[in-house]
Amino acid sequence: DTGVSQDPRHKITKRGQNVTFRCDPISEHNRLYWYRQTLGQGPEFLTYFQNEAQLEKSRLLSDRFSAERPKGSFSTLEIQRTEQGDSAMYLCASSLGTPVPLHFGNGTRLTVT
Amino acid sequence: AQTVTQSQPEMSVQEAETVTLSCTYDTSESDYYLFWYKQPPSRQMILVIRQEAYKQQNATENRFSVNFQKAAKSFSLKISDSQLGDAAMYFCASRTLSGSARQLTFGSGTQLTVLP
Repeated sequence: DTGVSQDPRHKITKRGQNVTFRCDPISEHNRLYWYRQTLGQGPEFLTYFQNEAQLEKSRLLSDRFSAERPKGSFSTLEIQRTEQGDSAMYLCASSLGTPVPLHFGNGTRLTVT
Repeated sequence: AQTVTQSQPEMSVQEAETVTLSCTYDTSESDYYLFWYKQPPSRQMILVIRQEAYKQQNATENRFSVNFQKAAKSFSLKISDSQLGDAAMYFCASRTLSGSARQLTFGSGTQLTVLP
């Protein structure tokens, strides 16, 4: 168990640019979640995968956001045409199923200038 | 929809003392789970303790215990014999199992400072 890995740890980008984050869940975990956390707040749910299927998306996930998990293993979260309001910590978590608790990664901190 | 409320943005405790962090929640579901997560500065979020709603007995994990009041929808965390390493942001969270509400819903957090 190497834990949930996220890359990069930090990303600074200019407004209007596209960014992509990667998450590698714990190997046997079939469920993968993306959350967004702004400073001083709790994480907010963005989207959820079971294996390669994206089963739920939050209304927070605008058209500029897209997530994939092509082979049911790692996942990517892409933000197109970034805005300053996208600045946040993006957390990935995985679990083997319900009700097993989620295991979180260290997150990717995005700063949009 | 689920909501989780943490009314204490900040708390402090003297080392070796006991502190209680408050949390209330609201859900229309009958089957759900409650969690306390700890997020140290610049480090990953880790699970501290969890409680299944159908269990009347309060969960305990070493120095951490909860006071689960289902009727009042209250779920407080007690930390006994506080240690410097307990300093972190603590998040209360709920998770239902039915329908489309599988995601974890977090409160806004309580920043705990442990004073030496």
